[in-house]
Amino acid sequence: RKEVEQDPGPFNVPEGATVAFNCTYSNSASQSFFWYRQDCRKEPKLLMSVYSSGNEDGRFTAQLNRASQYISLLIRDSKLSDSATYLCVVRTGGATNKLIFGTGTLLAVQP
Amino acid sequence: EAGVVQSPRYKIIEKKQPVAFWCNPISGHNTLYWYLQNLGQGPELLIRYENEEAVDDSQLPKDRFSAERLKGVDSTLKIQPAELGDSAVYLCASSLGQGQIQYFGAGTRLSVL
Repeated sequence: RKEVEQDPGPFNVPEGATVAFNCTYSNSASQSFFWYRQDCRKEPKLLMSVYSSGNEDGRFTAQLNRASQYISLLIRDSKLSDSATYLCVVRTGGATNKLIFGTGTLLAVQP
Repeated sequence: EAGVVQSPRYKIIEKKQPVAFWCNPISGHNTLYWYLQNLGQGPELLIRYENEEAVDDSQLPKDRFSAERLKGVDSTLKIQPAELGDSAVYLCASSLGQGQIQYFGAGTRLSVL
């Protein structure tokens, strides 16, 4: 089982739609959680951190459920420019303290 | 401010040849990372440096891969000899310190023929 699992998609949605991505992680000792965005043939870029209380940044809302080891990202009013791969990322704790990336979920927003 | 700079952007070599990638992190960033990203996968950490010290190289295949960061600034990652399965994107990232936000370079796309 992978440490961070995501549905690879692709998710094909029309402009203006609301889309949700889910992610699960296996290490209950994981300390920090993030969503990164990666455009085709580009580098990953931090989209937002994910906090236990849930957090929102414009059209993007991230949720964390530590008990279920589950992370989500909700995108409202999708734009063509939202088309990208969304990577769920978990930071391990302790001595290793490194980022573990999921395989990514591909989103294609259609006009 | 300049981001993480990597070169070359693309490299095509024949198997068994050596290859080297270069990375210049964001100025002032003490922590440098090399990642491997295969097609359809997320990046996987190869090695992490704190200044010039490699503090986590557990995922680096040491039989053919080597890395250095001699002056604690820029870094090189080398593969010798390259194998077909090494075809991937090699990403460099840097952060102010351990646990801080990582910023990625554009990567080097390696094709081994």
